[in-house]
Amino acid sequence: EVQLVESGGGLVQPGGSLRLSCAASGFRFSSYEMNWVRQAPGKGLEWVSDISSSDSSIYYVDSVKGRFTISRDNAKNSLYLQMNSLRADDTAVYYCARGSGRTPRGDFDYWGQGTLVTVSS
Amino acid sequence: DIQMTQSPSTLSASVGDRVTITCRASQSISSWLAWYQQKPGKAPKLLIYKASSLEGGVPSRFSGSGSETEFTLTISSLQPDDFATYYCQQYNSFWTFGQGTKVEIK
Repeated sequence: EVQLVESGGGLVQPGGSLRLSCAASGFRFSSYEMNWVRQAPGKGLEWVSDISSSDSSIYYVDSVKGRFTISRDNAKNSLYLQMNSLRADDTAVYYCARGSGRTPRGDFDYWGQGTLVTVSS
Repeated sequence: DIQMTQSPSTLSASVGDRVTITCRASQSISSWLAWYQQKPGKAPKLLIYKASSLEGGVPSRFSGSGSETEFTLTISSLQPDDFATYYCQQYNSFWTFGQGTKVEIK
């Protein structure tokens, strides 16, 4: 069974940093593209970042470029999101999501349960 | 950037109704469109990919159609478990979601 379990969320002050993790199991992690998607309270979904299976290709939404860094450790079956210079509008539930692999940079077939990041003083 | 616009934002319907949600792209995305269902406090669930392909395990009452800039998600006979928010997502150029359509009980 495919499982994605996020951790690392919490309350952080504006300008602070946080590192999210996503532990994957039930599939060959090293073969799949992975993503972070966020959802602000009461709002819609926003794609944040994507990393290819071998981390040779990385993409970010404009609003987090230069502040967030996505990475992965295929030996540990884990995905990460290092978030620096956090702002109030980064407050959201952050989901990790697996690219289905049907096409490069395609749809997301499995999602974790999410971890809440709150940026507030 | 490709913008995705869903309509309506909210839809009131009864069990057994046929429901249609529309998603429009700001430019052609071929058939690179997915639909997700999200229930409160839960992660999104993939329903449809490549505009019209049903994800495994998804009931056949869900169907998708369209291409280029206009797409629809249809639920042929609304069931109690279907009351949720639905999002379209384009993956022709990076990823963008529509703003969501909440299907509520009439």
